[in-house]
Amino acid sequence: QVQLQQWGAGLLKTSETLSLTCAVYGGSFSAYYWSWIRQPPGKGLEWIGEINDRGSATYNPSLKSRVTISGDTSRSQFSLKLTSVTAADTAVYYCASQWLGGGSYFDPWGQGTLVTVSS
Amino acid sequence: EIVMTQSPATLSVSPGERATLSCRASQSVSSKLAWYHHKPGQPPRLLIHGASTRATDIPARFSGSGSGTEFTLTISSLQSEDFAVYYCQQYGNWPLTFGQGTKVEIK
Repeated sequence: QVQLQQWGAGLLKTSETLSLTCAVYGGSFSAYYWSWIRQPPGKGLEWIGEINDRGSATYNPSLKSRVTISGDTSRSQFSLKLTSVTAADTAVYYCASQWLGGGSYFDPWGQGTLVTVSS
Repeated sequence: EIVMTQSPATLSVSPGERATLSCRASQSVSSKLAWYHHKPGQPPRLLIHGASTRATDIPARFSGSGSGTEFTLTISSLQSEDFAVYYCQQYGNWPLTFGQGTKVEIK
């Protein structure tokens, strides 16, 4: 059973780069797509992007110019970088998996990381 | 981008009663629709995928139906742990998108 554990800086200043990492335990890194999703306070869920084990990434057009998702198959980890953050990027960020044998629904999710951007 | 619209925004239900939640897609997603249950301080949990297939260990009181653009999640008899926010998500087209959520609260 796949489990995800995520970490990264929780407090940033405007214009800095958000950086989060998610480690995969208990599953084959190549059998899934790996995504990042966020939820601003009081709002709904927004998919940020995904990556596969070959390093091919797809991003939400709304964030594409500022996002990079990368993967490290040797460590079974994947990472999110979001540049030039503003207060609008304050959110709980989740990593999540999508099994290639199913569809692009998310199961399981990481525990979430609250990232706050202040000026 | 496919826009997902959930209704109602809030549903007040007594424990033991039935709850019916709706999700509408702005264009057809076939049966590529998932439902999640989300409680404060926890990550969302997958309930249903493929519009009607319960995820592992999800109780039978949860059922999903629909295809194309209209979908329904039914909780047959609400338990205390079911009071939460529910999201639908389409995976028929990229970018992957979620509805804005339905909060199921205790009446």
